[in-house]
Amino acid sequence: QVQLVQSGSELKKPGASVKISCKASGYRFTTYSINWVRQAPGQGLEWMGWINTNTGNPTYAQGFTGRFVFSLDASVGTTHLQISSLKADDSAVYYCVGRMVRGNWFDSWGQGTLVIVSS
Amino acid sequence: QSALTQPPSASGSPGQSVTISCTGTSSDVGGYNYVSWYQQHPGKAPKLMIYEVNKRPSGVPDRFSGSKSGNTASLTVSGFQAEDEADYYCTSYAGNNNYVFGTGTKVTVL
Repeated sequence: QVQLVQSGSELKKPGASVKISCKASGYRFTTYSINWVRQAPGQGLEWMGWINTNTGNPTYAQGFTGRFVFSLDASVGTTHLQISSLKADDSAVYYCVGRMVRGNWFDSWGQGTLVIVSS
Repeated sequence: QSALTQPPSASGSPGQSVTISCTGTSSDVGGYNYVSWYQQHPGKAPKLMIYEVNKRPSGVPDRFSGSKSGNTASLTVSGFQAEDEADYYCTSYAGNNNYVFGTGTKVTVL
């Protein structure tokens, strides 16, 4: 059974960086790509992009280039989202989401990581 | 890439049918049969309800169904139940390894 477990909530000051982890288990790591989805408080879902777990190649959606970096450590089945130069409007829940390599839907969701950016 | 357009809200009485629309363009919804739908209860992660326009994952009740015509996809809940009250989001493949979500619809029980 596919399971994605994310790291805990973060409270950061503006200008700082944060790194969120997403640990995969229950399946062969490279059979699912990992996507990242943002949900600001009271708002909808935004697709941020994805990382190819075979090659480590990331793809970023418009609006998520520059300060956002996807990375992975395949040896421990973990992907990361790092956000630098944090702003107040980066405050959101961030979800890692598994998508089968040959699929175009989001099968399995992590529990979400709340990031609060506040001085 | 602009978000797909969904009505902000919809409602239904128990036992009725509720249909939610999801309108995009020929570059996303209209161009691919890769529309999926997600249900999100407050404080919870979204859950896949429909994929590839009209396919249901194992465990999703058959009262949930999907369809598509042109640039608009739809999710129908037949025999609406109180537990179906939630936010619903569509998403579509948009080419070049990109995806786009809908604006979301809050579905409430009357």
